[in-house]
Amino acid sequence: AQSVAQPEDQVNVAEGNPLTVKCTYSVSGNPYLFWYVQYPNRGLQFLLKYITGDNLVKGSYGFEAEFNKSQTSFHLKKPSALVSDSALYFCAVRAPGDSWGKLQFGAGTQVVVTP
Amino acid sequence: DAGVIQSPRHEVTEMGQEVTLRCKPISGHDYLFWYRQTMMRGLELLIYFNNNVPIDDSGMPEDRFSAKMPNASFSTLKIQPSEPRDSAVYFCASASGSGETQYFGPGTRLLVL
Repeated sequence: AQSVAQPEDQVNVAEGNPLTVKCTYSVSGNPYLFWYVQYPNRGLQFLLKYITGDNLVKGSYGFEAEFNKSQTSFHLKKPSALVSDSALYFCAVRAPGDSWGKLQFGAGTQVVVTP
Repeated sequence: DAGVIQSPRHEVTEMGQEVTLRCKPISGHDYLFWYRQTMMRGLELLIYFNNNVPIDDSGMPEDRFSAKMPNASFSTLKIQPSEPRDSAVYFCASASGSGETQYFGPGTRLLVL
């Protein structure tokens, strides 16, 4: 069965500093990987996805993520964080051959960016 | 596009009452998902539809929960009877074709007293 782990409940970073949100996965075969962001009292918003191809994926709002097969990781990164990036971030995975819509979401990582 | 629309946004009810949550997906999307979010269990997929047909309902907690999609532009999630442990935020999401991206609604915050 597939699973995804976000080892940090919260990440604190100062505005202008690099931001990294960690995600590791466990799945048989080549995974489909996603990052979503949730702002307070809102639904999740898609940031980026890795299906195949280039290991570095660029997404919305200046975020990017790197697929690392050997480390089974898909960390989300932003070179320079903004206060407005403060939100809850979810990593999600789908194993190949799984029911199309069945994403497994991580527990989420709260990002706090201080001015 | 208005995005995924959910109603009501907030619902407070008493244990034993029937609760109906509603969702209008993005026009043209042929996949619709219902999720539940709680602090304890995180985000859980309850059920999803493709072309109005339920594909996977393995996440539906028990028989008290039911979901329908009578047409491409409307879905309901019903809880009967409701219990305090059903208190959560319920999200509807939609997606199109083979695209993997799901678009979430704003959610319905349900409190069962």
